[in-house]
Amino acid sequence: QSGLTQPASVSGSPGQSITISCTGTSSDITFNSVSWYQQNTGKAPKLLLYEVKNRPSGISNRFSGSQSGNTASLTISELQAEDEANYYCTSYRDDISLVFGGGTKVTVL
Amino acid sequence: QVRLVESAGGIVQPGRSLRLSCAASGFTFGNYAMHWVRQAPGKGLEWVAVIWFDAEYKYYVDSVKGRFTISRDNSKSLLYLQMNSLRVEDTAIYYCARDGYASGLNYFGSWGRGTLVTVSS
Repeated sequence: QSGLTQPASVSGSPGQSITISCTGTSSDITFNSVSWYQQNTGKAPKLLLYEVKNRPSGISNRFSGSQSGNTASLTISELQAEDEANYYCTSYRDDISLVFGGGTKVTVL
Repeated sequence: QVRLVESAGGIVQPGRSLRLSCAASGFTFGNYAMHWVRQAPGKGLEWVAVIWFDAEYKYYVDSVKGRFTISRDNSKSLLYLQMNSLRVEDTAIYYCARDGYASGLNYFGSWGRGTLVTVSS
């Protein structure tokens, strides 16, 4: 089975909001277990959201999550230069595995 | 604070073995499930394996089943990944990551800095 589907790239201007989608199937996304990670070049990923919309302590409320059917979304509001990074979604899959999306490169114009 | 430190990787020939370890500190290691996640050069993230807090259950991505073994020593706060019959396509940065819970496949709450494993002749 393939991974979750994310757009390869998303861009926006400072101050704008952008949304990254993460599409799966009834075997994964629908478990309400989607999490999101930010990865800067050469660095380890960092947890942004877990269980669709929960933020760990220390994560800005500019990052929010939602889910509808087989698609989860990460919204970054008030886009800042420091948000430029790669973003990955992941979900539990019912074959007892965790599956990642292919990653989305966010560019701040 | 939570700290996860992977052992040094290295260059290994195809078909050979390598064991990675991950030293955990800053939290009660035995209370959390632990994962290995990898990232091939220039590619995305791939989940590799998980082990329950008490090592009762272990699960693997299909591509490593029968070749890799995840284990842990809660008395020493250490996580391991024994990698046998290595293939060129196993070349990647390997990250140790802590789950949010004691069991299940949930999310990666904390990550190590990663260690590069290169499989090449």
